[in-house]
Amino acid sequence: AQSVAQPEDQVNVAEGNPLTVKCTYSVSGNPYLFWYVQYPNRGLQFLLKYITGDNLVKGSYGFEAEFNKSQTSFHLKKPSALVSDSALYFCAVISNDYKLSFGAGTTVTVRA
Amino acid sequence: GAVVSQHPSWVICKSGTSVKIECRSLDFQATTMFWYRQFPKQSLMLMATSNEGSKATYEQGVEKDKFLINHASLTLSTLTVTSAHPEDSSFYICSAPRTSGPYNEQFFGPGTRLTVL
Repeated sequence: AQSVAQPEDQVNVAEGNPLTVKCTYSVSGNPYLFWYVQYPNRGLQFLLKYITGDNLVKGSYGFEAEFNKSQTSFHLKKPSALVSDSALYFCAVISNDYKLSFGAGTTVTVRA
Repeated sequence: GAVVSQHPSWVICKSGTSVKIECRSLDFQATTMFWYRQFPKQSLMLMATSNEGSKATYEQGVEKDKFLINHASLTLSTLTVTSAHPEDSSFYICSAPRTSGPYNEQFFGPGTRLTVL
């Protein structure tokens, strides 16, 4: 079975500081990993994905993620957080039949 | 980016009634759509896979007779919650991959908040 884990329920940072949201994965075979963001009462928005190639993936809104095979991690990062980045973030892994399995989610709060 | 819409965005109904939720891909065709439910501040749980022209496939533990799915066209899937009860109150979200291949991102609808009184 394929799964991802997000060890932190909440992450709080000050605006302008670096933001990291952690994700680890457990898959058989090659992992295909995604990050999505959800704003209150809205559907998910795609941020970025890792399929193959460069371990550093750049995505939307200034976010990036680093795929680390040895640590089975795919942490989401942003060098300088904005208040508008406050939202619920989900890491996900996809199976061959298109099914996404989501982590529990991490609530990010960026204070001004 | 691709757009997926849902209707209604919120609905309140009485216990025992049925509610239909629509999911539309507005600018692309989707042979496959997915339905999720999400409880407050929790993750999305996949309920079923909606397949255009064939029966939906349900995840373990999801009652197919309670959550009826119809994928009537390449741009529309509907989820009907039959004989709704308060425990069915949740946020229901659909998604669709825009292009073929399992490794392309899915596009999500804005969700439908169902409250059963």
